[in-house]
Amino acid sequence: EAGVAQSPRYKIIEKRQSVAFWCNPISGHATLYWYQQILGQGPKLLIQFQNNGVVDDSQLPKDRFSAERLKGVDSTLKIQPAKLEDSAVYLCASSLLAGETEAFFGQGTRLTVV
Amino acid sequence: KNEVEQSPQNLTAQEGEFITINCSYSVGISALHWLQQHPGGGIVSLFMLSSGKKKHGRLIATINIQEKHSSLHITASHPRDSAVYICAVGPGNQFYFGTGTSLTVIP
Repeated sequence: EAGVAQSPRYKIIEKRQSVAFWCNPISGHATLYWYQQILGQGPKLLIQFQNNGVVDDSQLPKDRFSAERLKGVDSTLKIQPAKLEDSAVYLCASSLLAGETEAFFGQGTRLTVV
Repeated sequence: KNEVEQSPQNLTAQEGEFITINCSYSVGISALHWLQQHPGGGIVSLFMLSSGKKKHGRLIATINIQEKHSSLHITASHPRDSAVYICAVGPGNQFYFGTGTSLTVIP
């Protein structure tokens, strides 16, 4: 089966610019996660969707980050404006049932803010 | 205190050695996941387990629900096993991640 697709793989932007990441989960997976992984740390959940509804966005910096999952399939994560500390790998994952079934991860987008 | 603690943080082994990575958690869970992350950033799910033991090739994962502890073992380690291994637990509605164990296997 096809895995979780993410694009782009790498992105370099200047601070205060905007950037958007895209994720296409595995077909039929209702739960979609966006994680931020700073170098040397474990992934930190930014937002969790169940179909097209938000389950948890408590750690999403809402002043600059936004995410949507239109039609409960693809999702986009946007940062506007970016800060230096946003440099990280942004991982998308999906699962059939949140936490109880195997999660499949995308390759991630490595963002560098200069 | 993190919900998931891993040890060791860093591990260097000689090719062929038996490797153990430990994971302890403090939350009630429905499943525990072992993940592998290579330098490029992508994460691969190795195991999902809720009891007992699972084996896949040279990898073995065990879990003790009563002690809230899991171990990932790699037998006959190889340089291609060099990666970050992450333990994640799912209490039913989300995942909690450990900070990972960085493994380097030297030829």
